[in-house]
Amino acid sequence: ETGVTQTPRHLVMGMTNKKSLKCEQHLGHNAMYWYKQSAKKPLELMFVYSLEERVENNSVPSRFSPECPNSSHLFLHLHTLQPEDSALYLCASSQSGGFADTQYFGPGTRLTVL
Amino acid sequence: AQTVTQSQPEMSVQEAETVTLSCTYDTSENNYYLFWYKQPPSRQMILVIRQEAYKQQNATENRFSVNFQKAAKSFSLKISDSQLGDTAMYFCAFMNPPSGNNDMRFGAGTRLTVKP
Repeated sequence: ETGVTQTPRHLVMGMTNKKSLKCEQHLGHNAMYWYKQSAKKPLELMFVYSLEERVENNSVPSRFSPECPNSSHLFLHLHTLQPEDSALYLCASSQSGGFADTQYFGPGTRLTVL
Repeated sequence: AQTVTQSQPEMSVQEAETVTLSCTYDTSENNYYLFWYKQPPSRQMILVIRQEAYKQQNATENRFSVNFQKAAKSFSLKISDSQLGDTAMYFCAFMNPPSGNNDMRFGAGTRLTVKP
């Protein structure tokens, strides 16, 4: 379970706070992903980075801002969030970003917005 | 749009018995990939098994096997000899290569409880 790590594991923030989620993969992969997992809803893909370039943004609100400084690290910067943004945020990585690649997930950050 | 439906929000099974989790999907594409992921309580989601649509043979991984019915767009997961450690959320997922990205669509999940 140490292939993809995420910090912090739990985060509580107010609507006016600014915080960042961090993801690190130790698998030598070239693609990384952010997903949102809400209760009783399917996982929602938020962002995809392949070779540090964003290739997918599924109409995510601008209060979520991703950053991928290198192929091993991925951040999700949060600001002015809403209570409905409370969810489990999962990071994943895959070898090359190809369609056949298995995605490996981190443990997630449980975010609560007050 | 491609969708994935898991019609069983919760299921339970006695230890050592067999259980089947259902998954259906909707797509007009012919070439795609299907996955089952397992998310144990408070632990990371891990891949259980995957199936390429162009392969007729059902994938198997030890106690886990799938029943892939392409015409019916059905992709069920069978767990044999259930173990307590199989207790988890199980997600069916679909990926369509020609979409040009890695947009993997997930079902809402089935919570499986293995009872001693």
